[in-house]
Amino acid sequence: GESVGLHLPTLSVQEGDNSIINCAYSNSASDYFIWYKQESGKGPQFIIDIRSNMDKRQGQRVTVLLNKTVKHLSLQIAATQPGDSAVYFCAEKGQAGTALIFGKGTTLSVSS
Amino acid sequence: DTGVSQDPRHKITKRGQNVTFRCDPISEHNRLYWYRQTLGQGPEFLTYFQNEAQLEKSRLLSDRFSAERPKGSFSTLEIQRTEQGDSAMYLCASSLAVTGDEKLFFGSGTQLSVL
Repeated sequence: GESVGLHLPTLSVQEGDNSIINCAYSNSASDYFIWYKQESGKGPQFIIDIRSNMDKRQGQRVTVLLNKTVKHLSLQIAATQPGDSAVYFCAEKGQAGTALIFGKGTTLSVSS
Repeated sequence: DTGVSQDPRHKITKRGQNVTFRCDPISEHNRLYWYRQTLGQGPEFLTYFQNEAQLEKSRLLSDRFSAERPKGSFSTLEIQRTEQGDSAMYLCASSLAVTGDEKLFFGSGTQLSVL
């Protein structure tokens, strides 16, 4: 069945370091992937998305990489800041009209 | 603030009681989703609407759960005869279903505690 998972439940970095959060997905038919950030007591907040016809997409301080061969997705955050501390979720969408399926999340802790 | 509002933010109820939550999506969005999230887990899909039509329901959505979107704008999620296992954050999201833009915008959720 469809499932999205994360390699590590927690990641601790120093302020200014680059962070890499990984995600593995199992449905090779998924054609859309998205990263969300969730702070305590808030709903998930959109960070960046990517379609399966791309392997890289860049935003402001963030980059998403997609490797369809091994069904792997990663989020890179450059110059990580304390405000980046949150839980990060990847999600996938299998086909038109279906909902996003979320993984379990990685908690990013940034120390200054 | 994403523009999706949920009410109430918190709800404490006793087992066996009925509860109803409301979601107001971003006004021009035609799709509305309900998710449930428990501590330490990612959001789990429950159901979604396109305009007023409920197009998909998860197997997680038991008979005690019902959702409506009568006029294609706001939506309500009702849980009848609540159980302690219903305790969770209930998240609403909306999207504009156009090709090339499928991201969901989430509200801050309703935290339900069933005693």
